[in-house]
Amino acid sequence: DAGVIQSPRHEVTEMGQEVTLRCKPISGHNSLFWYRQTMMRGLELLIYFNNNVPIDDSGMPEDRFSAKMPNASFSTLKIQPSEPRDSAVYFCASSSQPTGMTEAFFGQGTRLTVV
Amino acid sequence: GIQVEQSPPDLILQEGANSTLRCNFSDSVNNLQWFHQNPWGQLINLFYIPSGTKQNGRLSATTVATERYSLLYISSSQTTDSGVYFCAVTASGSRLTFGEGTQLTVNP
Repeated sequence: DAGVIQSPRHEVTEMGQEVTLRCKPISGHNSLFWYRQTMMRGLELLIYFNNNVPIDDSGMPEDRFSAKMPNASFSTLKIQPSEPRDSAVYFCASSSQPTGMTEAFFGQGTRLTVV
Repeated sequence: GIQVEQSPPDLILQEGANSTLRCNFSDSVNNLQWFHQNPWGQLINLFYIPSGTKQNGRLSATTVATERYSLLYISSSQTTDSGVYFCAVTASGSRLTFGEGTQLTVNP
């Protein structure tokens, strides 16, 4: 398996623009997670899905952020409108069961810069 | 929520040296993972170890769940071991909570 695949790897956008990050989980995994990494806050969970259904979105910073998982092999994280403080590395991860019971695997991340 | 503390925050070694990284957590856990974030930012799985001891080459890990800590051992360190080592745990539900990491630098 190719692992968790994220795109794009790097994104530079202007403040106010819409940004869409994409993730393909490992085939057969039914839990998907979006994390954000910043110097100030470290790695923090934004949202996770189980069987394509959002289970916990308490980490989503505000209404400008939204995430969808239309099917088992694809998820998006959208920021609209983007702000400079959204600059971070965004990771997607997947596991074969909810993380409490098995190992999670991370994609290579998307480095987002909002100018 | 659960607290995860890693020590030391920074570690500098000469190639060939051994090291021990520690992870303390504040509550019972269902899951504990060790990751290595390399200089390119990739998070690489090292161990899934909610309890017990595992070894993989020069790396080994031990989790003593009853005492709420885990140790990562690196033997005969190499320059490619440089990067940040994260411990992450799940107490209840599915949220992986990360520690702040140990920044390891191995000099040739």
